[in-house]
Amino acid sequence: DADVTQTPRNRITKTGKRIMLECSQTKGHDRMYWYRQDPGLGLRLIYYSFDVKDINKGEISDGYSVSRQAQAKFSLSLESAIPNQTALYFCATRRSGASTDTQYFGPGTRLTVL
Amino acid sequence: GENVEQHPSTLSVQEGDSAVIKCTYSDSASNYFPWYKQELGKRPQLIIDIRSNVGEKKDQRIAVTLNKTAKHFSLHITETQPEDSAVYFCAASLGSGNTGKLIFGQGTTLQVKP
Repeated sequence: DADVTQTPRNRITKTGKRIMLECSQTKGHDRMYWYRQDPGLGLRLIYYSFDVKDINKGEISDGYSVSRQAQAKFSLSLESAIPNQTALYFCATRRSGASTDTQYFGPGTRLTVL
Repeated sequence: GENVEQHPSTLSVQEGDSAVIKCTYSDSASNYFPWYKQELGKRPQLIIDIRSNVGEKKDQRIAVTLNKTAKHFSLHITETQPEDSAVYFCAASLGSGNTGKLIFGQGTTLQVKP
């Protein structure tokens, strides 16, 4: 879905570096989510936001932080990256109050921490 | 917390056969159950979903059934085609209400052999 974009698409970094992954959407959705995907573990929720001033922790928030700069932008930061944060990261959006609960995913960012 | 178990982890069928993927959830308050398909290197995309007030839903060759009492739901794909080959994820909403928080199963890799 081209309406949800993520940058960068691939990133290789070293242990201890600060990394920011960005998500932008043009769908006009108020809710945004960050997930990580690991083989055999499915998708796990890191953080989610209902609007610019509403940030909530998900299942696995330790080691991550987020910023909702505007309704259309939701960034995920790794303050000090570690190798077990190597994963595929997805951003997703959803409209609150919609007749459907469908979440729309971005294309993903593949992060490798050496 | 909420947990979603998905089986099998891999499934191989012959083209034209049916495929069934099963999920169980732990939170009896969950009321929304989507299924996502993820093709290799692509983002997850919703293929079908069901709410807790419905026992079955069909969309062409795919169907989902829900047993609230047993807390399990299943995806059925009939007349499988090679393009059905992908990873399939089930998910359950976390708790009641409209938070949009989803807990995903571990994923099933479906291979349809021509």
